[in-house]
Amino acid sequence: AQSVTQLGSHVSVSEGALVLLRCNYSSSVPPYLFWYVQYPNQGLQLLLKYTTGATLVKGINGFEAEFKKSETSFHLTKPSAHMSDAAEYFCAVTNAGKSTFGDGTTLTVKP
Amino acid sequence: GAVVSQHPSRVICKSGTSVKIECRSLDFQATTMFWYRQFPKQSLMLMATSNEGSKATYEQGVEKDKFLINHASLTLSTLTVTSAHPEDSSFYICSAISGGAYNEQFFGPGTRLTVL
Repeated sequence: AQSVTQLGSHVSVSEGALVLLRCNYSSSVPPYLFWYVQYPNQGLQLLLKYTTGATLVKGINGFEAEFKKSETSFHLTKPSAHMSDAAEYFCAVTNAGKSTFGDGTTLTVKP
Repeated sequence: GAVVSQHPSRVICKSGTSVKIECRSLDFQATTMFWYRQFPKQSLMLMATSNEGSKATYEQGVEKDKFLINHASLTLSTLTVTSAHPEDSSFYICSAISGGAYNEQFFGPGTRLTVL
């Protein structure tokens, strides 16, 4: 069994500020972890993924995430928010090709 | 990167009619495709897993006779919403995996279904 918890359904930051979106997971086997971004009326776009190896993974648009097994976390960060980062973000855990998504976090970026 | 398309992107239909949504992997062969449903401001809910040449596996609570899935080739899966009703209005998203080591899913752009 696997599950994903995204803490904070809404996060608001000022342009240029640090972005931190939290994700905790549970998985009975070593997980594959993903972060996706979704813009209105569009599908999901992969930001980054953790499979094996280095626990700090870098993705597109300046985002990165760190896999912490001891904390069962995979938080997403970006040093400086841009207006175009405003979107819905989903964390997901995948095993055997089947994904479980978190409830999503809406990121608002204030000018 | 791998590209998945969906057609149509938006459809409006009358209650009682059937609607077919296509999901295609454009530049890779998809051993498995998934169909999700997403309500406004909510997460993706997996409806079914579709493997080429075999019957789809439906998640609990999803009516297989209402949501017909066909995966006739390694690049095409279809979802048919039969006798659609207003409560079936939703955003339907498909994804495909190519059987790679990490089972990364590639998502289609989604189909907005509105049933009047």
